[in-house]
Amino acid sequence: GDSVTQTEGPVTLSEGTSLTVNCSYETKQYPTLFWYVQYPGEGPQLLFKVPKANEKGSNRGFEATYNKEATSFHLQKASVQESDSAVYYCALSVYNQGKLIFGQGTKLSIKP
Amino acid sequence: GPKVLQIPSHQIIDMGQMVTLNCDPVSNHLYFYWYKQILGQQMEFLVNFYNGKVMEKSKLFKDQFSVERPDGSYFTLKIQPTALEDSAVYFCASSLVDSGNTLYFGEGSRLIVV
Repeated sequence: GDSVTQTEGPVTLSEGTSLTVNCSYETKQYPTLFWYVQYPGEGPQLLFKVPKANEKGSNRGFEATYNKEATSFHLQKASVQESDSAVYYCALSVYNQGKLIFGQGTKLSIKP
Repeated sequence: GPKVLQIPSHQIIDMGQMVTLNCDPVSNHLYFYWYKQILGQQMEFLVNFYNGKVMEKSKLFKDQFSVERPDGSYFTLKIQPTALEDSAVYFCASSLVDSGNTLYFGEGSRLIVV
């Protein structure tokens, strides 16, 4: 079945350092890929999505490229800030299927 | 941005009792979803709903669970009877079209079954 696997957390970084959260997916169909972010006490909110293979999405300094050959969608940011502390979810949806499949989430903590 | 409202934000209930979780989705959205998140764990799909019908449900959507949206009012998740393992945060979401579109989530309803 369809699935998403991402970097095990928690991840702790110092402010100003770079971030990579790995995400790999499995599907036999054509997915749209998403990164969602969840802050404490809130529901997940969209960071960005990429519907097409080999294209890049970005928002708030975060970016990820939908790599069809590698079936990956790694999240990167060059310089993290304390306000980036949250749980990050990689997710996929498949055309004509009415659900979003989430990875297990990666909890990110940024030290000032 | 668009808001999904969930009521109640939290509820404590005795095992075996019934609970109804309410969701006010984004006004022009057509697809509705419930997800379950046990503390510190991932978001797990329960069910989706479109045009007055359940489209798909997961193995987590037990027989004790039901969903409805009578006359365009709240989209509800009812659990009857509740069990201890139902303790979790339940998130409602809605989307304009199917899940290839962005899902907008509420802040969750924390359910504690004692």
